[in-house]
Amino acid sequence: GQNIDQPTEMTATEGAIVQINCTYQTSGFNGLFWYQQHAGEAPTFLSYNVLDGLEEKGRFSSFLSRSKGYSYLLLKELQMKDSASYLCAVRDHTGEGYSTLTFGKGTMLLVSP
Amino acid sequence: DGGITQSPKYLFRKEGQNVTLSCEQNLNHDAMYWYRQDPGQGLRLIYYSQIVNDFQKGDIAEGYSVSREKKESFPLTVTSAQKNPTAFYLCASSIGLGQGWTEAFFGQGTRLTVV
Repeated sequence: GQNIDQPTEMTATEGAIVQINCTYQTSGFNGLFWYQQHAGEAPTFLSYNVLDGLEEKGRFSSFLSRSKGYSYLLLKELQMKDSASYLCAVRDHTGEGYSTLTFGKGTMLLVSP
Repeated sequence: DGGITQSPKYLFRKEGQNVTLSCEQNLNHDAMYWYRQDPGQGLRLIYYSQIVNDFQKGDIAEGYSVSREKKESFPLTVTSAQKNPTAFYLCASSIGLGQGWTEAFFGQGTRLTVV
């Protein structure tokens, strides 16, 4: 199975930078995803890391260290609309040849003026 | 337009009744997933399927059943054996099975309320 940990809540100010951490334990790691979810809506894809290092997409960046079982999502120039839950998800290959996608509990980010 | 569709958006059922949630995708994806989300919680995996006529239990499969008779469709039945069925249900699909795994795309969800 998998164990994925993220902080429950974070607060930040409009225009600032915030880093949301995610640690995981898995036996057949095959990629880590970050999703954004606004209340009552479906998650939307933000970023994907399968190799170590930093992936940058506009205001959002995601980092992965496979040896440490660690990832973070970096949000720059925060806007009020970035207030949402951020979900870390790990793809894991099982021993029987299947691949699961397991989510953490999410980090609720509140951006204030 | 390609996408993944769940219906209905809101569903009310009486306790003890089985109910089936629909999930259809026209993205030609092999892999499909069902998740449950409770208030303030993350997504928990109910069932997943990587190919037609094959599916696997996730972390919380008890009280649920699925079928995968067509590539496009992955319906979820919430049975009367599910002790606390009221939740937000999300269906997702992704490329997989040798084609290079990509991100999962989500439907808009079905909010099920059992009274």
